[in-house]
Amino acid sequence: DIQMTQSPSSLSASVGDRITITCRASQSISNYLNWYQQKPGKAPNLLIYAASTLQSGVPSRFSGSGSGTDFTLTISNLQPEDFASYYCQQSYSTHLYTFGQGTKLEIK
Amino acid sequence: QVHLQESGPGLVKPSETLALTCTVSGGSISTYYWSWIRQPPGKGLEWIGYIDHSGSTTYNPSLKSRVTISVDTSKNQFSLKMNSVTAADTAAYFCARVGRNYFGYYYMDVWGKGTTVTVSS
Repeated sequence: DIQMTQSPSSLSASVGDRITITCRASQSISNYLNWYQQKPGKAPNLLIYAASTLQSGVPSRFSGSGSGTDFTLTISNLQPEDFASYYCQQSYSTHLYTFGQGTKLEIK
Repeated sequence: QVHLQESGPGLVKPSETLALTCTVSGGSISTYYWSWIRQPPGKGLEWIGYIDHSGSTTYNPSLKSRVTISVDTSKNQFSLKMNSVTAADTAAYFCARVGRNYFGYYYMDVWGKGTTVTVSS
């Protein structure tokens, strides 16, 4: 099974900051990596797929990069609505999709 | 615009079967794969499995022995059954569409709002 490890598990930041969340795969997944945002009590929302492709309607302050085993999600100029939890997910192994454990982004 | 809506009992007794349905509106179920994901209270996301319109399924190996996902194209619905449930199966359950782009990348791009299932006597 491909394990996905995110860091940090939680992060405090201020409006206007630039933050980066890291996701590491236990083996190479090429760029079959998706990022989701989840707000409390809501369903996850797809932000980025194929490691760096922005889903339609997602603000350009979100960006993703990486390939192989190491990936990053960057949010520039944090807005109040960006404080949420973020999950990475690999789709390389089509018989077992796996998620990272999540990163909770909180207001400092 | 495609919408997904989960439905089913919010309370299930231990050892019984959890049964949920996801209704797809605004589009046909006869394309794409369709997935179930769950999230225990305060924890992360766990993929349960997916099905295509022909009924071909793929399950998380850790749940495979207890899970069945089926599709009813005439009703534009797909369903989840999980037997022998315990308190560990208490979670929010989400259905989602598995989108695919031209280059073969898969991602869950449309989600239902989720439904909470509690396993308790």
